[in-house]
Amino acid sequence: KAGVTQTPRYLIKTRGQQVTLSCSPISGHRSVSWYQQTPGQGLQFLFEYFSETQRNKGNFPGRFSGRQFSNSRSEMNVSTLELGDSALYLCASSLSGTSGDTQYFGPGTRLTVL
Amino acid sequence: DQQVKQNSPSLSVQEGRISILNCDYTNSMFDYFLWYKKYPAEGPTFLISISSIKDKNEDGRFTVFLNKSAKHLSLHIVPSQPGDSAVYFCAASAQTGANNLFFGTGTRLTVIP
Repeated sequence: KAGVTQTPRYLIKTRGQQVTLSCSPISGHRSVSWYQQTPGQGLQFLFEYFSETQRNKGNFPGRFSGRQFSNSRSEMNVSTLELGDSALYLCASSLSGTSGDTQYFGPGTRLTVL
Repeated sequence: DQQVKQNSPSLSVQEGRISILNCDYTNSMFDYFLWYKKYPAEGPTFLISISSIKDKNEDGRFTVFLNKSAKHLSLHIVPSQPGDSAVYFCAASAQTGANNLFFGTGTRLTVIP
């Protein structure tokens, strides 16, 4: 079974631009979560989607948004990029997205904001 | 406020010996705990998990122990191998129906051949 895939793997943007990241979950998984990893803050939860609905959201500004499609693929968008948005963005999928349901991570998208 | 803490940023162990990685948490609502292994520029790889109704779970060389009263869990790797060298994260989720994970800051394990 193929794992979680994320595209692109690397992105370079400038301040003020916007960016869209894509995530394809493991086949059959309906929950997709997004995390941000930075050296200073570690791994932090952004949001989770299940059946095209955002069910849970972390403590990030509204510039960070996402959506999920009917095939469970998900996209994450960051508008008006800031230098501090430079990070590794990770997507994880799980079957149902409930506590006790293991999340499997993709390789991540490395975003650099100049 | 860091709800999951890994107080040892690094650990070095000789090949063949036991590696013990520790993790503490503060939120008593956490009911599911996981360990992930991570290499640079890659996503975390799931290793092993434990539910709060258990105090031990084994999978091959990996064993996770949970002490709920102390809000502490540990990962034992026996015997340690050079390929185990990576950053290990513990993570927890709460019994709220959602499964957003709270991660520790990671421990870098180096297994010396």
